[in-house]
Amino acid sequence: GEDVEQSLFLSVREGDSSVINCTYTDSSSTYLYWYKQEPGAGLQLLTYIFSNMDMKQDQRLTVLLNKKDKHLSLRIADTQTGDSAIYFCAESGNAGNMLTFGGGTRLMVKP
Amino acid sequence: EPEVTQTPSHQVTQMGQEVILRCVPISNHLYFYWYRQILGQKVEFLVSFYNNEISEKSEIFDDQFSVERPDGSNFTLKIRSTKLEDSAMYFCASSDKGYTGELFFGEGSRLTVL
Repeated sequence: GEDVEQSLFLSVREGDSSVINCTYTDSSSTYLYWYKQEPGAGLQLLTYIFSNMDMKQDQRLTVLLNKKDKHLSLRIADTQTGDSAIYFCAESGNAGNMLTFGGGTRLMVKP
Repeated sequence: EPEVTQTPSHQVTQMGQEVILRCVPISNHLYFYWYRQILGQKVEFLVSFYNNEISEKSEIFDDQFSVERPDGSNFTLKIRSTKLEDSAMYFCASSDKGYTGELFFGEGSRLTVL
């Protein structure tokens, strides 16, 4: 079946850029997503990219998609302590909103 | 800002008991979902629901599970006879679109089966 993998942990200093990486196996992925989960909260959609795009930028967030390598990344510019959270990569194939999630990357931002 | 609410936030039950987890989706949304996350594992899709019927379900969603929209606001997940391995965080989500993954998640209901 489909699989999505992420590294477990990333630590950066406040003001630096963070890059969270994700790989996936489903070549029929239609959309790829980044969700954020803060402690005690549900998953919040940050951004998503359609599979025919290479890049999407939204304020401090930049998503890069390498479809050939099945690699997705999320770059957070000027990372703030409020960005500390777990970031989940997810993909959906042709089955609409049936998302396959990665295990999540815990981002820790040090002041 | 509209949000998805779930109750209870935490439920402890004995193995073999029935459990109902409740969700109030965002009011104008038409697509409803349950996902779960066993401790230390990935978030997994359970079921999607649209137009008063199940539209997709995973192999996890066996005969012990059922979903219902009993009125215009609630969306429930019932586990008929809980097993130890049903212990997990259960997330409800809703969407106004059926295909883009723009899901709005609740905070989750933690189920502990003893």
